[in-house]
Amino acid sequence: EDKVVQSPLSLVVHEGDTVTLNCSYEVTNFRSLLWYKQEKKAPTFLFMLTSSGIEKKSGRLSSILDKKELFSILNITATQTGDSAVYLCAGDGSNDYKLSFGAGTTVTVRA
Amino acid sequence: DTAVSQTPKYLVTQMGNDKSIKCEQNLGHDTMYWYKQDSKKFLKIMFSYNNKELIINETVPNRFSPKSPDKAHLNLHINSLELGDSAVYFCASSQYLAVGELFFGEGSRLTVL
Repeated sequence: EDKVVQSPLSLVVHEGDTVTLNCSYEVTNFRSLLWYKQEKKAPTFLFMLTSSGIEKKSGRLSSILDKKELFSILNITATQTGDSAVYLCAGDGSNDYKLSFGAGTTVTVRA
Repeated sequence: DTAVSQTPKYLVTQMGNDKSIKCEQNLGHDTMYWYKQDSKKFLKIMFSYNNKELIINETVPNRFSPKSPDKAHLNLHINSLELGDSAVYFCASSQYLAVGELFFGEGSRLTVL
């Protein structure tokens, strides 16, 4: 069965800090890795990564995939209180038509 | 105009009752899913349908029965509710069966007393 592990489980930072979230995966016939942000309700899509070593960026958020070492990193720079959320990582393999999610990292940004 | 909408958003019910959650997507996607999120925020797939055909049926008790009348709708019926069924149930859709990006509804929080 596919496995996705995120670390840390939670962290607390102050506004302006930089945050690095980790996601390691074991996914059969790996196709892509996805990051989602979940505030109070629905997870919302951040990034989909398919190629190793290519950074995806959106504003203060960026993510990179290492297909050799089977992990991904999500970075948030100059954090704001609005970045407080659960960040979910998910692996997509071509075998089974489903995403396998990690347990998430809860990020709390204090003013 | 909400892309993936679920109703109701909250259900509080007694053990042993039966309840249904409805989901609709207006994105024109082929594939819809039900995920369960427990108190530790872990999202786990339950079912997926592609063009009304059942594709994934994880090891879910058969008290849970999905139904897809058309590709824009996927409902979830739960019989004989148990305390352990308390969770947030998310409906999601993707353009094709091959997954990629999922679009989630806002969730239905079920509390079984």
